Amino acid sequence: AQSVTQPDIHITVSEGASLELRCNYSYGATPYLFWYVQSPGQGLQLLLKYFSGDTLVQGIKGFEAEFKRSQSSFNLRKPSVHWSDAAEYFCAVGARGYQKVTFGIGTKLQVIP
Amino acid sequence: DVKVTQSSRYLVKRTGEKVFLECVQDMDHENMFWYRQDPGLGLRLIYFSYDVKMKEKGDIPEGYSVSREKKERFSLILESASTNQTSMYLCASNGQGLLAKNIQYFGAGTRLSVL
Repeated sequence: AQSVTQPDIHITVSEGASLELRCNYSYGATPYLFWYVQSPGQGLQLLLKYFSGDTLVQGIKGFEAEFKRSQSSFNLRKPSVHWSDAAEYFCAVGARGYQKVTFGIGTKLQVIP
Repeated sequence: DVKVTQSSRYLVKRTGEKVFLECVQDMDHENMFWYRQDPGLGLRLIYFSYDVKMKEKGDIPEGYSVSREKKERFSLILESASTNQTSMYLCASNGQGLLAKNIQYFGAGTRLSVL
C-alpha cells in the first residue's frame, strides 16, 4: 500500500523568505507524485506533478519540487514566498494503473509580513 | 478547464436527517471520488466510483452510501446524519487511461454541520 508523510503540520515564514515543504512517500515502484494547494474554504488545486523523467519539476505560482528516489522524497520549494501563498499544501502519491491517490495530512503555511 | 461543481458550499442539518451531497463534473471523467477532510487527518477517501452504477468503498465508508446513475453526477448520502459527520466534504474526478495519470480535479467543497 502507498502512504505519504508530511512531517510539518504548520510552518511560518516571512514574506520574501525561501520555503521548503517536506514530503516522504512509501511505494514499491515508481510513483506518481503531486502537490496540491488549498486556499481557505476552497477545494484543492494542482500545483505540480511528477510522473517520470526530469526529477525537478516546475509548477504554477513559481513552485518547484524535486523527486529523490534514494530518499523517497518529493519536497516542494519556492525561492521567495508571497503573502498570497498562505494556504494548506498537500502532497499525494498515485500509481500507474491504480485509480486512487493517497494524500498526506497537509502542511499549513502561514506567511508573516 | 475541468469543472467539478458541488451543489452546496454550506449545509446545516439535524441529527438523524437524511443528507444528500451532490457533485457534477463536466469532463466526461470515468472516476469520481468523495473525500472527507478534517483538521490533522488530511483527506480520507469515503467512496469512489469508476463507472456508472459502479462503486468501491474507500477508507471510511461507514455511515455513508453513494449513488452514480449518470456519468457526470456522483452523490454522497448520509442515511442518518450524526454529529461526528460534521466535516468538509470534497468531491473529485479524473479520467481513466494512461494519459489521465491520477490527476484529480476538485470541487470547492461542502462544509456540513450536523447539530
